[in-house]
Amino acid sequence: GENVEQHPSTLSVQEGDSAVIKCTYSDSASNYFPWYKQELGKGPQLIIDIRSNVGEKKDQRIAVTLNKTAKHFSLHITETQPEDSAVYFCAAVGTGNQFYFGTGTSLTVIP
Amino acid sequence: DAEITQSPRHKITETGRQVTLACHQTWNHNNMFWYRQDLGHGLRLIHYSYGVQDTNKGEVSDGYSVSRSNTEDLPLTLESAASSQTSVYFCASSETHRGDEQFFGPGTRLTVL
Repeated sequence: GENVEQHPSTLSVQEGDSAVIKCTYSDSASNYFPWYKQELGKGPQLIIDIRSNVGEKKDQRIAVTLNKTAKHFSLHITETQPEDSAVYFCAAVGTGNQFYFGTGTSLTVIP
Repeated sequence: DAEITQSPRHKITETGRQVTLACHQTWNHNNMFWYRQDLGHGLRLIHYSYGVQDTNKGEVSDGYSVSRSNTEDLPLTLESAASSQTSVYFCASSETHRGDEQFFGPGTRLTVL
């Protein structure tokens, strides 16, 4: 099956700085790569996603890049704010539509 | 507004007892999923369903079962609870089969003593 690795497991940044979270996957058949944000005591919520026919996607301060050849994708958050503090999960989804999640990154934005 | 709810939000039970966690969605989605979340493991798929009367095993299905008698509900049953099943459980639903956003419920924290 698919194996998704996510780094770093924890990340602290100063407010206003950028944050980058990286994921690698193993199954070349994976074609959908969502990113979820999970706040304390809540379920994960989709913040951005990318499909394998696209190399980059941006939504305001959030962007995702995908390198299919190297089998890695990254989440970029610019101008971080305290409300960006949460746990972020990447996932890789293949033909069976099963989501394989990374182990999560706990992001802390220091005011 | 459409939503997905889980109950109970917290549950403490004893080893060997049968436990059922409820999941209800009003999105009218055909696809429903159960995950467990453990530190260091992220979210792992337990069971999923693509429609009424359809159920499938996920990555960590041993000791769990589901049934789908209607579109809205997918209850998760732990046949004989074990301490290794102490975890946070999330239900999710999605509209399509083909790599689509999954909407997650708020989770159930289960402790097996």
